[in-house]
Amino acid sequence: NAGVTQTPKFRVLKTGQSMTLLCAQDMNHEYMYWYRQDPGMGLRLIHYSVGEGTTAKGEVPDGYNVSRLKKQNFLLGLESAAPSQTSVYFCASSIQAGYGYTFGSGTRLTVV
Amino acid sequence: EDKVVQSPLSLVVHEGDTVTLNCSYEVTNFRSLLWYKQEKKAPTFLFMLTSSGIEKKSGRLSSILDKKELFSILNITATQTGDSAVYLCAVGYGNKLVFGAGTILRVKS
Repeated sequence: NAGVTQTPKFRVLKTGQSMTLLCAQDMNHEYMYWYRQDPGMGLRLIHYSVGEGTTAKGEVPDGYNVSRLKKQNFLLGLESAAPSQTSVYFCASSIQAGYGYTFGSGTRLTVV
Repeated sequence: EDKVVQSPLSLVVHEGDTVTLNCSYEVTNFRSLLWYKQEKKAPTFLFMLTSSGIEKKSGRLSSILDKKELFSILNITATQTGDSAVYLCAVGYGNKLVFGAGTILRVKS
């Protein structure tokens, strides 16, 4: 009964460090999404995937890379973290475009 | 440019008041419009709307979509302090789900 699981839940990075956020879903969903949420900005789409092996850019893709090597996992990478990437990151998945979205509980990332 | 705009950005009401939150959109290949409630954690699903003019209701909350005028409203009647939250509108179009900036609702007792 896990749904969408994000790891880690919290992380502090120094400027220039790299890290990977993991999103895992056990619902056999085709579509997966990464968002960031900043105060007053709602959720902004970073990258998304419409199936295993596919990725596409969202509204704010710069500074991030993603991979979807397995259907159940969607990884978000920061190669060289910047303070502007301090945010709360949410992952979501859906069975098809436009329907049935499930969200993870979020990752709070601070870059100092 | 595709966009989802919510209004007002914030409002403060007293318990028992009725509030109406607005969401307008301009997207291509519209699939659905969704409303979420967010209280410091992940967004919680409220409604999904795909057809014009059909009201969806859940307790004191209701929502309707107008696909001709490209907007939706979320109504909350007899507000309670537990309704205090950020209300997010999201539009599914193409392969994306894109959110508005949200409306911050504060209900005072």
